[in-house]
Amino acid sequence: AQSVTQLDSQVPVFEEAPVELRCNYSSSVSVYLFWYVQYPNQGLQLLLKYLSGSTLVESINGFEAEFNKSQTSFHLRKPSVHISDTAEYFCAVSERGGADGLTFGKGTHLIIQP
Amino acid sequence: DADVTQTPRNRITKTGKRIMLECSQTKGHDRMYWYRQDPGLGLRLIYYSFDVKDINKGEISDGYSVSRQAQAKFSLSLESAIPNQTALYFCATSDVHSYNEQFFGPGTRLTVL
Repeated sequence: AQSVTQLDSQVPVFEEAPVELRCNYSSSVSVYLFWYVQYPNQGLQLLLKYLSGSTLVESINGFEAEFNKSQTSFHLRKPSVHISDTAEYFCAVSERGGADGLTFGKGTHLIIQP
Repeated sequence: DADVTQTPRNRITKTGKRIMLECSQTKGHDRMYWYRQDPGLGLRLIYYSFDVKDINKGEISDGYSVSRQAQAKFSLSLESAIPNQTALYFCATSDVHSYNEQFFGPGTRLTVL
């Protein structure tokens, strides 16, 4: 079984400042890792994913996440945030080769202050 | 057009009522899932299905049942709704070749009074 910990339930940052949303996972097997974003009153959209290969993965809107196996982490970063980045961000894990759903963290609410 | 649709989008019902939430997809995926989202708890898996003959319980299946009527349709039922089933419900799909990446519907907000 896997578990995901998102330590910060809310992260307030000023517009154009950098941000890091933390995610740690626990698993006895190799995993796939995902970040999903939920904008207000919407469903979840995939932001980025780590499957294999390069440990640094990037999204089209400037976010990046780095898989760190030794620290069992998959932190999400953006060098300069915008008001439009205000959303709930969920880290999720799946057993490599598994198909029985994703295990989600509790989410981090990113609040962008003007 | 949305690839994963859910009906209804909002529903208010009373304790003890039977209610069905429906999910349809046009992505051609074999795998379908139902999750519930509660504030501060993230998403938790209720049921999942790999095909019309394969239904599996998730983490929190008690009080729920499902039906996979076709490859494209997966319904969630609450036989006798209770207030602590008030939540946001999401349907998701996954392709066998997509490394368990899931594609979500817009959600159904259910309130049980």
